[in-house]
Amino acid sequence: DAGVIQSPRHEVTEMGQEVTLRCKPISGHNSLFWYRQTMMRGLELLIYFNNNVPIDDSGMPEDRFSAKMPNASFSTLKIQPSEPRDSAVYFCASSLAKGGTEAFFGQGTRLTVV
Amino acid sequence: AQSVTQLGSHVSVSEGALVLLRCNYSSSVPPYLFWYVQYPNQGLQLLLKYTTGATLVKGINGFEAEFKKSETSFHLTKPSAHMSDAAEYFCAVSGRGDYKLSFGAGTTVTVRA
Repeated sequence: DAGVIQSPRHEVTEMGQEVTLRCKPISGHNSLFWYRQTMMRGLELLIYFNNNVPIDDSGMPEDRFSAKMPNASFSTLKIQPSEPRDSAVYFCASSLAKGGTEAFFGQGTRLTVV
Repeated sequence: AQSVTQLGSHVSVSEGALVLLRCNYSSSVPPYLFWYVQYPNQGLQLLLKYTTGATLVKGINGFEAEFKKSETSFHLTKPSAHMSDAAEYFCAVSGRGDYKLSFGAGTTVTVRA
C-alpha cells in the first residue's frame, strides 16, 4: 500500500482565498483524522471520522474550517476564507477503528497564507 | 479524557549515550500508549506501542519503552544514541473504546558527535 496520500504537499495562498487540502487514506482503514501542527500549539486534532461519519469535530477552530469524507477513500479539509494564522502543516492520518491500533500519517501539507 | 505530558521539550545527547524521553499519562483506566518519531519535513512514524500484556515494549531502531502503571509513565529509551536519532518524538494516548490519538507537546532530540 502507498500509505496515506495527501495533496498538495505545499500550498501558498493569499489571505481570503479558499484552500482545499486532500487526503486518501490507506485502503481498508475506517478511521480518518485531520491534525494541524504549529510551533506554538503542537499537534492538534481537528476532526475525526469513523466510517465516513464525523465523530468529533470539537477541534475545528471556527466556521471557516470544514471537512468532508464523501467515501472511504477520500477526504477534504477546506478553509474559506483563509487567514495568515491558518499557516501550519496539516496532517491526515488513518487507522482501523480497533482498540490499540496506531494511526498512519501522511506526509502533510504545508500551508502558507500570505 | 486521556492526555499525556512530555517532560522536556529538548534533549541533547552525545553519540553513543543513553537516550531517555519522559512521558506521563493521565487516564482513569490504563490507556493505549504510543511513541511516534517525526523527521524534518516528514509525517509521524510509529516507533512502538503498548496495548496489553508485557509492559516492556520494543520498537524499531533500537528503542524501547516501559509501561509503569504505578507511576502513570511510559518513558522511551535507547541505550546508545546514533546521529540518525536526531528528530522530534511524540508520546500519544488513546482510550479503550476511543480511537482518537491525543499527542504530547513533543521532545526534540539532538545528537552531538
